[in-house]
Amino acid sequence: NAGVTQTPKFRILKIGQSMTLQCTQDMNHNYMYWYRQDPGMGLKLIYYSVGAGITDKGEVPNGYNVSRSTTEDFPLRLELAAPSQTSVYFCASSYGTSGSLNEQFFGPGTRLTVL
Amino acid sequence: AQKVTQAQTEISVVEKEDVTLDCVYETRDTTYYLFWYKQPPSGELVFLIRRNSFDEQNEISGRYSWNFQKSTSSFNFTITASQVVDSAVYFCALLTTDSWGKFQFGAGTQVVVTP
Repeated sequence: NAGVTQTPKFRILKIGQSMTLQCTQDMNHNYMYWYRQDPGMGLKLIYYSVGAGITDKGEVPNGYNVSRSTTEDFPLRLELAAPSQTSVYFCASSYGTSGSLNEQFFGPGTRLTVL
Repeated sequence: AQKVTQAQTEISVVEKEDVTLDCVYETRDTTYYLFWYKQPPSGELVFLIRRNSFDEQNEISGRYSWNFQKSTSSFNFTITASQVVDSAVYFCALLTTDSWGKFQFGAGTQVVVTP
């Protein structure tokens, strides 16, 4: 299993540009997540999904959009990039039911710089 | 509302010393899960342990041990006989049934182990 894969690993954007961060998992996990980690800080949840077709906002959703058309893929869309979105973005997945949620497996991260 | 506090920003130790990382959580839920993750300098996030609120049994895994105390809302982590490879940022995380799917991470504690 490849686990959770993210592309690209690095990206530099100009202010106002848009891009999509890709995330794929091959563990058949129903839950998927997007986090951002600013330098020296912890993880902040952007969006998460409990299954294909279902997404919900996390702590810091503004400026981002997601979709979940398949179990495997959970892309994150940045519209009109701003310097405040400079961060490392992590995708994660986990398996859960209504009564239990296992640990998250994380991708290697995407380092995004907006200039 | 749920909250995780890791009051220690950085801990520096000399190799072979023990180091204890504090994690204090807040939640009104009676059912919840606690996690510890490690983030080495390479940047990936590695799962270490998961505990649910009904299991207060402390655990030892090699040089790692965890002390879960509901009475003080704490889930502390100890590395015994630290090694240079233990140098990393360690995150405590909380998941509650009230905010299902929304993991709440602490700010992290940087552990620096010098030879």
